[in-house]
Amino acid sequence: NAGVTQTPKFQVLKTGQSMTLQCAQDMNHNSMYWYRQDPGMGLRLIYYSASEGTTDKGEVPNGYNVSRLNKREFSLRLESAAPSQTSVYFCASSRSTGELFFGEGSRLTVL
Amino acid sequence: ILNVEQSPQSLHVQEGDSTNFTCSFPSSNFYALHWYRWETAKSPEALFVMTLNGDEKKKGRISATLNTKEGYSYLYIKGSQPEDSATYLCALLNAGNNRKLIWGLGTSLAVNP
Repeated sequence: NAGVTQTPKFQVLKTGQSMTLQCAQDMNHNSMYWYRQDPGMGLRLIYYSASEGTTDKGEVPNGYNVSRLNKREFSLRLESAAPSQTSVYFCASSRSTGELFFGEGSRLTVL
Repeated sequence: ILNVEQSPQSLHVQEGDSTNFTCSFPSSNFYALHWYRWETAKSPEALFVMTLNGDEKKKGRISATLNTKEGYSYLYIKGSQPEDSATYLCALLNAGNNRKLIWGLGTSLAVNP
């Protein structure tokens, strides 16, 4: 089992560029999440998907869109990147209210 | 606004010392409490998910207790080793229809050999 796989691991963007972070899990989990982690801020939830076909906003959804393509995959899109979106992004999955399994993180820099 | 607080913010101990840290949360909104270990340059890994008042869980040298009535959980590490150096996060899963994890900022532990 690969667990939770997210790509890319590193990306540098210019302001205004768009990109998609991909996430896939092979644990048959219903719930998937996108977090960002910034120094001194802790983990903040961007969007989550409780099940295939549903998505909901978290604490900091502005500037992002998500797609729950199927049960395995949950992508995060930045349509027009801004320097404030420089962060480390983590995808995670869980059965429902159980423990989260995290991907390795994607470090994004927006210049 | 629900707040999860962890203390201390950071901790330095010597190899072999036992240590503990605290996670405080609003008891009125409790559904479950999660503990994670987050090593530098890696991703968080779950240690425990606790749901019952008085619960005590153990994994090797690490254990945790839960008091849902007063709103706190303790994480204990017995005989700390350098490989225990990490940030330890707790997160409250709140009760209600809109169930979400609310994260603390973590306790950063450094174990000196």
